[in-house]
Amino acid sequence: NAGVMQNPRHLVRRRGQEARLRCSPMKGHSHVYWYRQLPEEGLKFMVYLQKENIIDESGMPKERFSAEFPKEGPSILRIQQVVRGDSAAYFCASSPLGGSDKNIQYFGAGTRLSVL
Amino acid sequence: AQKITQTQPGMFVQEKEAVTLDCTYDTSDQSYGLFWYKQPSSGEMIFLIYQGSYDEQNATEGRYSLNFQKARKSANLVISASQLGDSAMYFCAMSPGGSYIPTFGRGTSLIVHP
Repeated sequence: NAGVMQNPRHLVRRRGQEARLRCSPMKGHSHVYWYRQLPEEGLKFMVYLQKENIIDESGMPKERFSAEFPKEGPSILRIQQVVRGDSAAYFCASSPLGGSDKNIQYFGAGTRLSVL
Repeated sequence: AQKITQTQPGMFVQEKEAVTLDCTYDTSDQSYGLFWYKQPSSGEMIFLIYQGSYDEQNATEGRYSLNFQKARKSANLVISASQLGDSAMYFCAMSPGGSYIPTFGRGTSLIVHP
């Protein structure tokens, strides 16, 4: 499967624990984006990364959330000390291009985070 | 700020018939891109079709076509010959010129009846 791979598909955490969401972009894609989707809503942009660089994190909460895209391995979205309001679907997308309105992003299947 | 409006929370269509899903947008940019994505019950987001604001022809991809009316700022998705597998949420999105961050609408739920 050459698509965007996200794991886990479902993640359950208790309040105060850490959540780690992983994303491997499509082969040949060097741009990764993370989005959050709340029930009955569209996707909200969180962060845009290239290898070893955060390009835009304007949609990321200032505290507890961080993202990385190392030289080797998947991109990681980390949520520390999760709260119930963090429960949502988190989607990763990748694209071969960046900085363009013709930037077609291909999405993974998402990680559904449930905070108990 | 960009805004995407999908006014139809839910739509129903008979199998094999055509259906139009509405999308209007608000932007002051002259250059922008418009996208439609499908989200079936399994949850993944599937890219369907792209339209550039300067494209003269309406985009088509198989049974999907985009009815682009620039003056009205609308980018409706037309699905011809609906199939049961078309039942899903459909999201319209727009990226303003030079931006990599699309703004998504709230989506339209489409149910195809046999």
